[in-house]
Amino acid sequence: SAVISQKPSRDICQRGTSLTIQCQVDSQVTMMFWYRQQPGQSLTLIATANQGSEATYESGFVIDKFPISRPNLTFSTLTVSNMSPEDSSIYLCSVGGGLIWETQYFGPGTRLLVL
Amino acid sequence: AQTVTQSQPEMSVQEAETVTLSCTYDTSESDYYLFWYKQPPSRQMILVIRQEAYKQQNATENRFSVNFQKAAKSFSLKISDSQLGDAAMYFCACKMNTGNQFYFGTGTSLTVIP
Repeated sequence: SAVISQKPSRDICQRGTSLTIQCQVDSQVTMMFWYRQQPGQSLTLIATANQGSEATYESGFVIDKFPISRPNLTFSTLTVSNMSPEDSSIYLCSVGGGLIWETQYFGPGTRLLVL
Repeated sequence: AQTVTQSQPEMSVQEAETVTLSCTYDTSESDYYLFWYKQPPSRQMILVIRQEAYKQQNATENRFSVNFQKAAKSFSLKISDSQLGDAAMYFCACKMNTGNQFYFGTGTSLTVIP
């Protein structure tokens, strides 16, 4: 399994500002994923980020609100733009693993509180 | 669309006892993977166990085992000899062989009573 780190681990932000979350993997991976986990709820996929191409966003998520970068095979960033209190969540990155990328391994998450 | 249902929002078990967490899913595809993930409070989500749908044999990982009933689309997790460290939120998830998206259930919060 991959070792995944995220920065920051938590942050408190003011509404209207933006926060960029970094995800670093200890090995080269083709696919990285960004999830949101709102308080007490399950995980919702925001987007899939492949190196060298535009991220693919799920229904309800748009690039202007959640721009993603994937500059190389070990790193990705997710920006939460123009934040509101409704964006308060845990944001997790994950990578595909296993023989045919059938399993996902998760980073520790970034806890975001928007005031 | 694929859906994953966990009908038990909360469960509790006495330490050293056995507990079973339920999960059902809905898909029209025949080739897929099923997972149980554990998320301790304020800690990282980790993979507990994985089952390939084409395998009839139930997966086991030490004290964790599954009861996979493909026809019934049921995938329950059994935790034997429960330990205090098993206390966590448990998520059931499904991934089709085609596509990359995981579908997660709403989770079951497991409490282990000393």
